[in-house]
Amino acid sequence: KNEVEQSPQNLTAQEGEFITINCSYSVGISALHWLQQHPGGGIVSLFMLSSGKKKHGRLIATINIQEKHSSLHITASHPRDSAVYICAPERDDKIIFGKGTRLHILP
Amino acid sequence: DTEVTQTPKHLVMGMTNKKSLKCEQHMGHRAMYWYKQKAKKPPELMFVYSYEKLSINESVPSRFSPECPNSSLLNLHLHALQPEDSALYLCASSQPGTGEGYTFGSGTRLTVV
Repeated sequence: KNEVEQSPQNLTAQEGEFITINCSYSVGISALHWLQQHPGGGIVSLFMLSSGKKKHGRLIATINIQEKHSSLHITASHPRDSAVYICAPERDDKIIFGKGTRLHILP
Repeated sequence: DTEVTQTPKHLVMGMTNKKSLKCEQHMGHRAMYWYKQKAKKPPELMFVYSYEKLSINESVPSRFSPECPNSSLLNLHLHALQPEDSALYLCASSQPGTGEGYTFGSGTRLTVV
């Protein structure tokens, strides 16, 4: 069983839709990262969470430590949000990358 | 300066060449990381330096040799690579204990011919 499971693996939506990406993990962690990777490779750190909820602009991330589950939400999605979103729990000073969710927002 | 700078952006090398990848940050971060990413796969951790000391080596072949000359600079020396080592090599940095996330470089795309 993978230590990190993301769903969906691929998501296509219309501009303006509310997007939710889910992440479940099976190990104890010290924190969880949400990352964004655009074609061409650059990775941007969106959030680092150890509890509760964080919001930055149109992005919201939540984590439930007891249920070992985190979600990333995008409100009022835009074509420029098209990217791979990666859930990455951190344990023992290492981050464990999920396989990512490939998001495509259509204009 | 809030960036991690990686050079070169692209590198093509033969299997008998010796080359180095460079990573630099001036954010005062004391942890630096090398990752390898193959196409359509998540990044895989290679090495972690914490306070300029190698703290994690994920059983990486010896043809990859990391070096951390100072707190701002991280190198990855390459020697006798194989074509299957072709990948995107990503550097990242973080400041331990702050609760802040990682900062990633844009990567070096390496092709071994």
